[in-house]
Amino acid sequence: RKEVEQDPGPFNVPEGATVAFNCTYSNSASQSFFWYRQDCRKEPKLLMSVYSSGNEDGRFTAQLNRASQYISLLIRDSKLSDSATYLCVVPYPMRFGAGTRLTVKP
Amino acid sequence: DAGVIQSPRHEVTEMGQEVTLRCKPISGHDYLFWYRQTMMRGLELLIYFNNNVPIDDSGMPEDRFSAKMPNASFSTLKIQPSEPRDSAVYFCASSLAGGPGEQYFGPGTRLTVT
Repeated sequence: RKEVEQDPGPFNVPEGATVAFNCTYSNSASQSFFWYRQDCRKEPKLLMSVYSSGNEDGRFTAQLNRASQYISLLIRDSKLSDSATYLCVVPYPMRFGAGTRLTVKP
Repeated sequence: DAGVIQSPRHEVTEMGQEVTLRCKPISGHDYLFWYRQTMMRGLELLIYFNNNVPIDDSGMPEDRFSAKMPNASFSTLKIQPSEPRDSAVYFCASSLAGGPGEQYFGPGTRLTVT
């Protein structure tokens, strides 16, 4: 089993849709988790940190299930600007998932 | 405040040449990370420093790669000799002590070895 596995995607959704990504991890000792987004040919940028059961920031919700060792990212009312690759990160050391590509269409 | 600065942004070199990538972290940050990103392998952690001291270099692919952090505001990643399989985007990132997972990435150096 890979240390961090993500839905491969791509996800193609219309504007306004709700979309969810899952990420499973193997290191049961990890206490914190992160979601980064990466636009094409750009650097990754921190989207959300997850230190307990979950976190919510506007249209974005991250949830953690320690028993099943997965975290999810939910995007509500998706915008064209949400189109990017979303990377799940499990420390330490920092292990990045392969990323899930999202395209939001008009 | 300036973000993480990397130079050069693009580097094209021939196999066998030495390549030096440079990074200036955000002022006040305690951690510095070097990553490599390729289509095949994704984003991989190469090495990271805490307060200028290398903590984990297990991701460094082989002896051809070396990294230094002589002071809190500068780090280098050197490849000698370079090989075509080293072609990738190399990112530097920095973070505060209280949140090493919350990293700020530089724009990256796109390296092509012919």
